[in-house]
Amino acid sequence: SQQGEEDPQALSIQEGENATMNCSYKTSINNLQWYRQNSGRGLVHLILIRSNEREKHSGRLRVTLDTSKKSSSLLITASRAADTASYFCATESGGSNYKLTFGKGTLLTVNP
Amino acid sequence: KAGVTQTPRYLIKTRGQQVTLSCSPISGHRSVSWYQQTPGQGLQFLFEYFSETQRNKGNFPGRFSGRQFSNSRSEMNVSTLELGDSALYLCASSLDPGHEQFFGPGTRLTVL
Repeated sequence: SQQGEEDPQALSIQEGENATMNCSYKTSINNLQWYRQNSGRGLVHLILIRSNEREKHSGRLRVTLDTSKKSSSLLITASRAADTASYFCATESGGSNYKLTFGKGTLLTVNP
Repeated sequence: KAGVTQTPRYLIKTRGQQVTLSCSPISGHRSVSWYQQTPGQGLQFLFEYFSETQRNKGNFPGRFSGRQFSNSRSEMNVSTLELGDSALYLCASSLDPGHEQFFGPGTRLTVL
């Protein structure tokens, strides 16, 4: 079953614009991670935000987490054509039965 | 340091056959997780292995099995293949359970 649900499912923007993707989840989590996947390839870890953090930055990425609303957002600033990919949020839960539960992803297309 | 490697990268099988996929984790990583990715269901957790023991299992039928060897390499097996098993199978390794996961490029399985 899916824990995270990304919104929107697809997003198309021009180079230089900012892209915002949202993720909502249902149950309590330990941490939340964002991954990127280029066209049917493996996933690349982008950023992890802990449940006691509200905001985190990494380069052009900014992630927020609102545990009261069970939601997170990923902002990519000054987008580039190379940012075209699918982006997934993944929630960590389970304690000793640790596992990642992924959403269905947002397909981001950055047009040159 | 070499990344996670998966073999084969592509595989075509027919219904009823069985298949074995292989994953070599990053050197020093002891935990290996497997995921199935399909357009309909997205990324779903299959199982996790640590120290040659299955620690956690997703909601998949018994046709899906796996194992881990003493050198941390892992294999997953799918018996009596069905058309719906066509998917990208991703392997991820981490130092230990609960640590950041690094994904391989995946094995794309097509069942005809």
